[in-house]
Amino acid sequence: AQSVTQLDSHVSVSEGTPVLLRCNYSSSYSPSLFWYVQHPNKGLQLLLKYTSAATLVKGINGFEAEFKKSETSFHLTKPSAHMSDAAEYFCVVSDQGDKIIFGKGTRLHILP
Amino acid sequence: KAGVTQTPRYLIKTRGQQVTLSCSPISGHRSVSWYQQTPGQGLQFLFEYFSETQRNKGNFPGRFSGRQFSNSRSEMNVSTLELGDSALYLCASSLQGGMYEQYFGPGTRLTVT
Repeated sequence: AQSVTQLDSHVSVSEGTPVLLRCNYSSSYSPSLFWYVQHPNKGLQLLLKYTSAATLVKGINGFEAEFKKSETSFHLTKPSAHMSDAAEYFCVVSDQGDKIIFGKGTRLHILP
Repeated sequence: KAGVTQTPRYLIKTRGQQVTLSCSPISGHRSVSWYQQTPGQGLQFLFEYFSETQRNKGNFPGRFSGRQFSNSRSEMNVSTLELGDSALYLCASSLQGGMYEQYFGPGTRLTVT
């Protein structure tokens, strides 16, 4: 059975410092993995996706994520945080069963 | 290309009533999924429709139902509303679901009093 765990419910970083949002997954097959972002009172927007091509995936707004099969992780990173990055981030896994599982989300706070 | 649209955007209902929410997916997308989002439970999957058939279902009571029309537009219905049904209901469309990315609508904010 597939599952996804976001290891931190809240992360706070100072503007201009790196961002790391952690995600571990479990899947019986080769999964597809996604990161979505939700700004306050908005719908969700796709940041990036991994579908068994390059293990380092680049997304929008300077975010990227690395698929590590040995660690079953798909952590989201950004070199330098901006105030506009404050939002909730969701890690998502989908496998051959076509079921889509969302993590519980990580709220990112940016300190001035 | 027009995005996913959901109507209405806001809704206030009374306990015991029923409600129907509508979702128009992106043109050409055949998969529509529905989610419930609350502060306590987070984002929970309700169901997915693909080519007018329910393909996946989450762990929600039978009061929650949905359907999809031949033009891929989808509706979800909640009968006998309870206070706990107050939530943001999000619709997402995808080319075929599964490994394909989802595009989310702005949501319908349902308040049950």
